Amino acid sequence: AQSVTQPDIHITVSEGASLELRCNYSYGATPYLFWYVQSPGQGLQLLLKYFSGDTLVQGIKGFEAEFKRSQSSFNLRKPSVHWSDAAEYFCAVGFTGGGNKLTFGTGTQLKVEL
Amino acid sequence: GAVVSQHPSRVICKSGTSVKIECRSLDFQATTMFWYRQFPKQSLMLMATSNEGSKATYEQGVEKDKFLINHASLTLSTLTVTSAHPEDSSFYICSARDLMKNSYNEQFFGPGTRLTVL
Repeated sequence: AQSVTQPDIHITVSEGASLELRCNYSYGATPYLFWYVQSPGQGLQLLLKYFSGDTLVQGIKGFEAEFKRSQSSFNLRKPSVHWSDAAEYFCAVGFTGGGNKLTFGTGTQLKVEL
Repeated sequence: GAVVSQHPSRVICKSGTSVKIECRSLDFQATTMFWYRQFPKQSLMLMATSNEGSKATYEQGVEKDKFLINHASLTLSTLTVTSAHPEDSSFYICSARDLMKNSYNEQFFGPGTRLTVL
């Protein structure tokens, strides 16, 4: 069965420090990959997505992610974190023939220390 | 573009009553909408896939008679929690796919509805 793993449940970083959130997936087919951010009590906002082409994708709010097929990973990065980045981050994966569904990881709660 | 709204944003109801949640795509047509449930500090769990003009497809373990889904138009899907009980209290989020885009499973999410059953 398909699965998405976000190994880090909680991450704390200092404001201005760099950030990397990990995401690994288990799929047989070529995946479509997404990162979403959720603030408390809110819906999900799309940060970035990967469908094909350049494996390094740029998103909103200064985020980027790199698709590494050999590692089945799609890690999210930001060079300098802002206090407003504190939120829950979800990695999601879909694939052709998957009924248009997305499978979500368990999420990573990011805390930013001032 | 690609805005999805949900109404209401919060609802409190008594046990045994039914609650309807609306999900609307505001600036695009959506043949497919999805309903998720999210428990506190947990991930999203897909409950059902809603297709315009046809019956919803429910995920394993989701009671279709409990969670009634209607997708009457290309811009509106509704989720009705029937005979709600405290264990149905949760955050319900809908999403929609844009009919006009080859979106590779991309979904646009609503802001969610917080349901509290007393």
